[in-house]
Amino acid sequence: AQKITQTQPGMFVQEKEAVTLDCTYDTSDPSYGLFWYKQPSSGEMIFLIYQGSYDQQNATEGRYSLNFQKARKSANLVISASQLGDSAMYFCAMREGIGQGGKLIFGQGTELSVKP
Amino acid sequence: GAVVSQHPSRVICKSGTSVKIECRSLDFQATTMFWYRQFPKQSLMLMATSNEGSKATYEQGVEKDKFLINHASLTLSTLTVTSAHPEDSSFYICSARDDRGGGNQPQHFGDGTRLSIL
Repeated sequence: AQKITQTQPGMFVQEKEAVTLDCTYDTSDPSYGLFWYKQPSSGEMIFLIYQGSYDQQNATEGRYSLNFQKARKSANLVISASQLGDSAMYFCAMREGIGQGGKLIFGQGTELSVKP
Repeated sequence: GAVVSQHPSRVICKSGTSVKIECRSLDFQATTMFWYRQFPKQSLMLMATSNEGSKATYEQGVEKDKFLINHASLTLSTLTVTSAHPEDSSFYICSARDDRGGGNQPQHFGDGTRLSIL
């Protein structure tokens, strides 16, 4: 069963507008972490934001914020004031517990295109 | 910030060649490193977890004898694609966990290796 699901293969947003990238997850482990990474066409993976399962507040990092809805098992990424340089693939990932060795399970990814 | 160096960035070679890819953590120690494979427009698929001083843990369906992993030091893991064939052509990317980090620390990724087997 897919543990991390990103249902939007591609998204378009107008420059300077906000966009939400969806991510849902499935786990029975009470301790887990959720990550978002950006992958430009050059291939490198850029860490954006982290949300822990026990965190009470939604994570924020500059223009990135995470809309964490634990009961719904969703961790959507919100990018405010989109820039042309935000065009890239975006991956949601989950790390379960501590005993899993820290490995990340990635979603299918969403390709974001920012239009001028 | 934490840096992971992956080398080479691109390899083009003939079928039957073995290819070694290196992953180094430059400013931190990493007991655990990870190797992923990514096809175009697809997600990162974990191939194996590399553990310093012990055998790697391979994900289901990954051939151990095909993808040899050696994690000989706290800063270096290598992936060797043995007797590579065209179907092994892919983007391989490594990541490392800082041993000092807690559960909220992200994995640090190398820039990846584009492997093309002719």
